[in-house]
Amino acid sequence: SAVISQKPSRDICQRGTSLTIQCQVDSQVTMMFWYRQQPGQSLTLIATANQGSEATYESGFVIDKFPISRPNLTFSTLTVSNMSPEDSSIYLCSVDRGWDNEQFFGPGTRLTVL
Amino acid sequence: AQTVTQSQPEMSVQEAETVTLSCTYDTSESDYYLFWYKQPPSRQMILVIRQEAYKQQNATENRFSVNFQKAAKSFSLKISDSQLGDAAMYFCAYSLAGGGADGLTFGKGTHLIIQP
Repeated sequence: SAVISQKPSRDICQRGTSLTIQCQVDSQVTMMFWYRQQPGQSLTLIATANQGSEATYESGFVIDKFPISRPNLTFSTLTVSNMSPEDSSIYLCSVDRGWDNEQFFGPGTRLTVL
Repeated sequence: AQTVTQSQPEMSVQEAETVTLSCTYDTSESDYYLFWYKQPPSRQMILVIRQEAYKQQNATENRFSVNFQKAAKSFSLKISDSQLGDAAMYFCAYSLAGGGADGLTFGKGTHLIIQP
């Protein structure tokens, strides 16, 4: 398994500002993923982050709004830019251990935008 | 694109009884993985059970088992001897096989209530 931490665990932000969420893994992993879970909804994949290359975004998500960094094999950040109340969600990172598609999830970051 | 459908927004079961959660999916691929994840109020996503599509044998993990019907694209979860700690949101998820390069596609979830 993998132990994943996220910072911050929660935050309340003003509209128009940006927040960077950090995801740290206790072992080296190839792929890291970012998901959004809107209130009372399921998880939706935002993007896939592979170390050393640009993140791959899913339909409906763009780099200008959700820039992602992946500087090494244990760390990634997701920035939510120019926030609006519609961005209020839980943001989760996950990692894949690489051989059986099993993903482990971080505890999530609960974001509220006022 | 792959889709995952969970048609039961909420299910309720008496403690110690058995409950089955339904999941159907749509894909044109032949090699993929299916998962059931549990999300308690703490919001931590916990893997309950996984199934490789190429395996005909249904996966089991203690009180949890699946009924995988590949031709029907159905993947139900059976929880036996339900316990209070099983109360949570349960999400069915799909992933294309291929070394972990793909994210998960989730269903909308089923809220499981355990009645004491």
